[in-house]
Amino acid sequence: GAGVSQSPSNKVTEKGKDVELRCDPISGHTALYWYRQSLGQGLEFLIYFQGNSAPDKSGLPSDRFSAERTGGSVSTLTIQRTQQEDSAVYLCASSLPGLTEFFGPGTRLTVL
Amino acid sequence: QKEVEQNSGPLSVPEGAIASLNCTYSDRGSQSFFWYRQYSGKSPELIMSIYSNGDKEDGRFTAQLNKASQYVSLLIRDSQPSDSATYLCAVNPRYTGANSKLTFGKGITLSVRP
Repeated sequence: GAGVSQSPSNKVTEKGKDVELRCDPISGHTALYWYRQSLGQGLEFLIYFQGNSAPDKSGLPSDRFSAERTGGSVSTLTIQRTQQEDSAVYLCASSLPGLTEFFGPGTRLTVL
Repeated sequence: QKEVEQNSGPLSVPEGAIASLNCTYSDRGSQSFFWYRQYSGKSPELIMSIYSNGDKEDGRFTAQLNKASQYVSLLIRDSQPSDSATYLCAVNPRYTGANSKLTFGKGITLSVRP
């Protein structure tokens, strides 16, 4: 596609439920990144994929968070047993390795 | 721990003035540097990239890089109210290649007063 797309754009869930967030990177971009941004805060790095492998998952805040990428393209970020502190905008970006990262529009997650 | 620091904000300038946004980084081997702009409620968008020492100009924007001082800055000339946003500095330790990713600063919020 022309740009990075993410779905859903907004997600409201109840505490304790699982959620899946999807990212579709720019075609041909082998690197994919997930970030989290709380209101008024900076970008918090979560995980980085190169192809289907994740060389750096150091930013995942707990074992409730996981991500996978299949076919070197679409990635899914899963949050299990959501908590209120998980409420944030989840941003996905893609790039050619080491080059400019292009961001998607984000998914705004609200945990009630 | 590779760090990217942006001087504390917010920064407020009058319309037409020059806005100067600064960023320092800890990894001396860093090779590529980026400035992103993020409007409230939107995702970051790239406005400048710079790879070698000196100045790089693009319209009203000038990026300045000094690798010896581990310092990168963004100058916005003739600031406009539409420049009001948060500006994120990002650094990559390698010029290109696998297993490299950007490290972002926390950003600085610029407000341009009409």
